[in-house]
Amino acid sequence: QLQLQESGPGLVKPSETLSLTCTVSGGSISSPIHYWAWIRQPPGKGLEWIGSIFYSGSTFYSPSLKSRVTISVDTSKSHVSLKLTSVTAADTAIYYCARGGYGGSSGPPSHWGQGTLVTVSS
Amino acid sequence: QSALTQSASVSGSPGQSVTISCTGTDNDIGSYSLVSWYQQYPGRAPKLIIYEVYKRPSGVSDRFSGSKSVNTASLTISGVQTEDEADYYCCSYAGNSLRVFGGGTKLTVL
Repeated sequence: QLQLQESGPGLVKPSETLSLTCTVSGGSISSPIHYWAWIRQPPGKGLEWIGSIFYSGSTFYSPSLKSRVTISVDTSKSHVSLKLTSVTAADTAIYYCARGGYGGSSGPPSHWGQGTLVTVSS
Repeated sequence: QSALTQSASVSGSPGQSVTISCTGTDNDIGSYSLVSWYQQYPGRAPKLIIYEVYKRPSGVSDRFSGSKSVNTASLTISGVQTEDEADYYCCSYAGNSLRVFGGGTKLTVL
């Protein structure tokens, strides 16, 4: 059974870089029909799409975050990584890793990690 | 790429039908039949309950149904049960491999 587990620092200082890792187990990280996405949710608020990475290595980022986001895959470690630079308090959120492509390569995420809370504060 | 619009809350009594609406634009809901819906309980990750406007993943109750008209998608829960009390989020493909979510609707079962 596919499992995703996010990990990383729970506290990041303003202006620094947020770095998270999603460990994938129980399934192939190299599936050509799926993609990997990062989604976040500020405490008590709604979901926000951050971006995704496909089997080809192509990445697609939300226009509002594009200048600060990098998503990458390390197939040797079954890791999907997220880096967000120059963080502010507005980046405080639960960050979710998810696998997309349910029902087809354009399908939505169906498998999600449990999420990890990242707080931006000095 | 603005968030889709959902009403903040909706309520219903057990056994009633409840409909949650999600309004987008010509650039997302209006252009693609790739609307999905998620159910989220407090402290839990979202769960996919509808994809491609009306399709249900295996294991999802047939009390959940979806539809779309022009730029508005809808989720209907028939015969609402107390266990359905949760937050519901719509999500639409928006082109260029991007997706946009709605702000979420809190369902209260009275």
